[in-house]
Amino acid sequence: ETGVTQSPTHLIKTRGQQVTLRCSSQSGHNTVSWYQQALGQGPQFIFQYYREEENGRGNFPPRFSGLQFPNYSSELNVNALELDDSALYLCASSLVGQPGYGYTFGSGTRLTVV
Amino acid sequence: AQSVTQPDIHITVSEGASLELRCNYSYGATPYLFWYVQSPGQGLQLLLKYFSGDTLVQGIKGFEAEFKRSQSSFNLRKPSVHWSDAAEYFCAVGLNQGGKLIFGQGTELSVKP
Repeated sequence: ETGVTQSPTHLIKTRGQQVTLRCSSQSGHNTVSWYQQALGQGPQFIFQYYREEENGRGNFPPRFSGLQFPNYSSELNVNALELDDSALYLCASSLVGQPGYGYTFGSGTRLTVV
Repeated sequence: AQSVTQPDIHITVSEGASLELRCNYSYGATPYLFWYVQSPGQGLQLLLKYFSGDTLVQGIKGFEAEFKRSQSSFNLRKPSVHWSDAAEYFCAVGLNQGGKLIFGQGTELSVKP
């Protein structure tokens, strides 16, 4: 089975710009979540998508938005980038309804805002 | 509010010694419990998880964890640490099936020869 793949692996953006990060879910998974991990911190939940709709959101402003596509891949969009948005962004997929569920994480996209 | 506490920010153990990483959570019911490991610059790899049943769970790489309801703890253990175990370890709580995970701040493990 394929794992979760994220692209790009690294990205440098300027403050005020917009960025799109991409994630391909593990084969057979129907839910995707995004997490932000600042340096030296644990991952923080941004939002989750199930059946192409957002069904949970963490404490992040509306300039963080996302999409889930019919093939269960996903995008995270961040507008008006701020310096504090510099972090590792992790995508995780899972199969809702599967007993003993667990999330499979990708290797992340390292975003640097300058 | 739900929270996860990993009291030890950094732990150093000798290769071959035993290891215990602590995790405490705050939640009204029994949550889903996870331990993940992260190598530098990498994503998270699931070590083990607990949903119900036997409170001692076995994971990959020789790790195990014990759920203690009375202490709201889910500590990770390994009887003999290898140099390749050096990494960051995260405890996480899932509040419902398919829902978000709440992570602790992590414990960095160093292994000395």
